[in-house]
Amino acid sequence: DLQMTQSPSSVSASVGDRVIITCRASQSISNWLAWYQQKPGKAPKLLIYAASTLQSGVPSRFSGSGSGTDFTLTISSLQPEDFATYYCQQTTIFPPIFGGGSKVEI
Amino acid sequence: QVQLQESGPGLVKPSETLSLTCSVSGGSIHGYYWSWIRQPPGKGLEWIGNFYYTGSTNFSPSLQSRIAITGDTSKNQFSLRLRSVTAADTAVYYCARLTRGNNGYSLGLDYWGQGSLVTVSS
Repeated sequence: DLQMTQSPSSVSASVGDRVIITCRASQSISNWLAWYQQKPGKAPKLLIYAASTLQSGVPSRFSGSGSGTDFTLTISSLQPEDFATYYCQQTTIFPPIFGGGSKVEI
Repeated sequence: QVQLQESGPGLVKPSETLSLTCSVSGGSIHGYYWSWIRQPPGKGLEWIGNFYYTGSTNFSPSLQSRIAITGDTSKNQFSLRLRSVTAADTAVYYCARLTRGNNGYSLGLDYWGQGSLVTVSS
């Protein structure tokens, strides 16, 4: 079965920091990967799809890259509103599973 | 602006059936796939299943023996039924819209409901 592994599971950072989260698939998923941001008590929000395409309205400090099995989400300059948990999801192989999440905290 | 709203009982007894409805406003359920996702307290996201407006469905292999997803296009709603629940089914349940590219590939879940906490307890 396909596995999606995120790292780190949590990261401590400060405002202005560059933060990189990785997502690894156990088999190739081409570029069919989405990233979500979830704040406590809220529904996830789609940030990036097809590995690197920014969803409308998402700030440009967020970027995604990768293909095949290895992907990254980069926040170029962390803002106070970016402290949240981030999930990757592969969207090409059934079932469309999520990674375990990466919590960005102070 | 598309909006989704989950509704249903917040408490279900073990062995009974969990039923939730997702009401869609600001857009039609026609032409889209719609998903259910759940999140146990303090844990990650689990995809449950998809519903297409024509009535076709697909489900998580781990849940498929207990799940039904149906839709009512006249009400712009779709519903989840999960049978024989246990405490392990306690979670926030989300409905969401699946967006797809022009080539038909799934891109991600672009609109979400606020979530509905369902607790399984006697």
